[in-house]
Amino acid sequence: AQTVTQSQPEMSVQEAETVTLSCTYDTSESNYYLFWYKQPPSRQMILVIRQEAYKQQNATENRFSVNFQKAAKSFSLKISDSQLGDTAMYFCAFMKPFLNTDKLIFGTGTRLQVFP
Amino acid sequence: DGGITQSPKYLFRKEGQNVTLSCEQNLNHDAMYWYRQDPGQGLRLIYYSQIVNDFQKGDIAEGYSVSREKKESFPLTVTSAQKNPTAFYLCASSIDPLAGDTDTQYFGPGTRLTVL
Repeated sequence: AQTVTQSQPEMSVQEAETVTLSCTYDTSESNYYLFWYKQPPSRQMILVIRQEAYKQQNATENRFSVNFQKAAKSFSLKISDSQLGDTAMYFCAFMKPFLNTDKLIFGTGTRLQVFP
Repeated sequence: DGGITQSPKYLFRKEGQNVTLSCEQNLNHDAMYWYRQDPGQGLRLIYYSQIVNDFQKGDIAEGYSVSREKKESFPLTVTSAQKNPTAFYLCASSIDPLAGDTDTQYFGPGTRLTVL
């Protein structure tokens, strides 16, 4: 069974600085997707970034980028120029497509606090 | 605006009562999902539906029931058989996973259920 591990329960960063959130996963599959979701205090889950395992190039979305290391089964999220609005829980998630459902498997989350 | 709506935002239930959580989407997505979130944990899949009039159990379906009579709607009933129903419930949707083109799951704002 696939598992997702986020080893940092809490992180903090000063505004405008850079922070990296860690995520590792365990799977025997070769084709899969990885996601980072953000959950602000409103508790709405918001997609931050997505990575297809078959793509070697790391995904980027504005200030958010990932370091995808397939052999090491690592998928870290880098937030550059941190903003107060980045304060949230961040969840890493794994999906094995093309089964009877696109089931998301979530890590336990990292709480990020951005300080002014 | 296109999106996913959940109602109510907060719900209180007495022990022994069934309650129904609403989830509606106007994104024309085929697949819909229900997740449960507990403190300190990631999301866990309760039920999912890939097409109208069809749905499957997720990892923690006991004590829950669903229906999918319309493409836009996927209500979740928390029955009295659910032993610990107090949690945050999130609904999500995505385009047809059976089409072989997995897409991202987008989430509604959630419902906080408290059993008194």
